[in-house]
Amino acid sequence: EAQVTQNPRYLITVTGKKLTVTCSQNMNHEYMSWYRQDPGLGLRQIYYSMNVEVTDKGDVPEGYKVSRKEKRNFPLILESPSPNQTSLYFCASRIRDGANYGYTFGSGTRLTVV
Amino acid sequence: QKEVEQNSGPLSVPEGAIASLNCTYSDRGSQSFFWYRQYSGKSPELIMFIYSNGDKEDGRFTAQLNKASQYVSLLIRDSQPSDSATYLCAASADRGSTLGRLYFGRGTQLTVWP
Repeated sequence: EAQVTQNPRYLITVTGKKLTVTCSQNMNHEYMSWYRQDPGLGLRQIYYSMNVEVTDKGDVPEGYKVSRKEKRNFPLILESPSPNQTSLYFCASRIRDGANYGYTFGSGTRLTVV
Repeated sequence: QKEVEQNSGPLSVPEGAIASLNCTYSDRGSQSFFWYRQYSGKSPELIMFIYSNGDKEDGRFTAQLNKASQYVSLLIRDSQPSDSATYLCAASADRGSTLGRLYFGRGTQLTVWP
């Protein structure tokens, strides 16, 4: 089944404890992206990647890191999480060719930082 | 900053009525537009995309695009209670350094009451 898989689905952590949210897609998509979703603010892009080793900042990159060492994986790293990073996170992927294809989203990761 | 604006809602319609959702975008370079449906606590699901001026129909859904006015809409005919969700409008960045990105509006919450 074609899908984007995120783990974990739920995570509660403490301020300052480094964490990684994994994302993997099995569709051979070039583009991958991380979004966070907060009430009243909609989906905001954190980072995106156009291919292996090619990443760029989105609209809210502060406090996050990403890497794209393999085409299928795009982990999101919070080096020192803070309570304002409590949010619902989505990973998404998209094929490069064909602007008519939207992103396919993972199931989401609900992160709480206390 | 590329922006996508949606009518804020919430929108409430009776079962069987037509629901009309609207969206404007700021980037004249955007070529493709997407409508996602998101149920509470779930990930966004692509339901329609459009890239040519005019109407595009898929079952009970019709997307309309007017590039001169930078306006996109989604009509849902014969609305059903199962259509109750938040609808997200997105515009693609189709050139330059932001190629491959999608910009999302904040969403319009639709409730269809029996």
